[in-house]
Amino acid sequence: SQQGEEDPQALSIQEGENATMNCSYKTSINNLQWYRQNSGRGLVHLILIRSNERETHSGRLRVTLDTSKKSSSLLITASRAADTASYFCATAVYGGATNKLIFGTGTLLAVQP
Amino acid sequence: GAVVSQHPSWVICKSGTSVKIECRSLDFQATTMFWYRQFPKQSLMLMATSNEGSKATYEQGVEKDKFLINHASLTLSTLTVTSAHPEDSSFYICSASPGRRSYEQYFGPGTRLTVT
Repeated sequence: SQQGEEDPQALSIQEGENATMNCSYKTSINNLQWYRQNSGRGLVHLILIRSNERETHSGRLRVTLDTSKKSSSLLITASRAADTASYFCATAVYGGATNKLIFGTGTLLAVQP
Repeated sequence: GAVVSQHPSWVICKSGTSVKIECRSLDFQATTMFWYRQFPKQSLMLMATSNEGSKATYEQGVEKDKFLINHASLTLSTLTVTSAHPEDSSFYICSASPGRRSYEQYFGPGTRLTVT
């Protein structure tokens, strides 16, 4: 399967703590993206990191990318109860005639108030 | 900008019937649309890629005769689940991209299909 792996599968933290999620993938990528999904809802795009970047930030989000290890991490600082959701990494790969996204297995984050 | 809608948001159908799900890009032209399915507590699995005016490309293991995809215009793609069975019950999500070479995808809110 092309699907990437994420760990942990589930993470429970207290409000104010930081949450770190990791993603590993298998193929060469153009970029890697992180998405959030609230239960039973659609996806919300959070942040994108290009293959030639090692780190990027957006607000409370920090993403790192190590292409030599084919891995990425998402750090959410000062977490809030509203951050409770599933988080997915998605690698953007060249799929022949069309570029496509391959999603990781996801991390379920629960932030306790 | 870059809004994608899906209709219906949820549908219940009887086993053996067919159901059509629409995916529309509301404020941009989508050369390419993608269809994903997601089982409870699992990730999104790409089912197929459709380019406007051409046949869809299905991922390995996805039955093209069961999941019919039509991308008739630059703002509309449809997924028809034919002869639905309970195991087809899932969350179906579409996304739209402004170009075949673009890595941007804008996701719809999803359609919950329940087959009884």
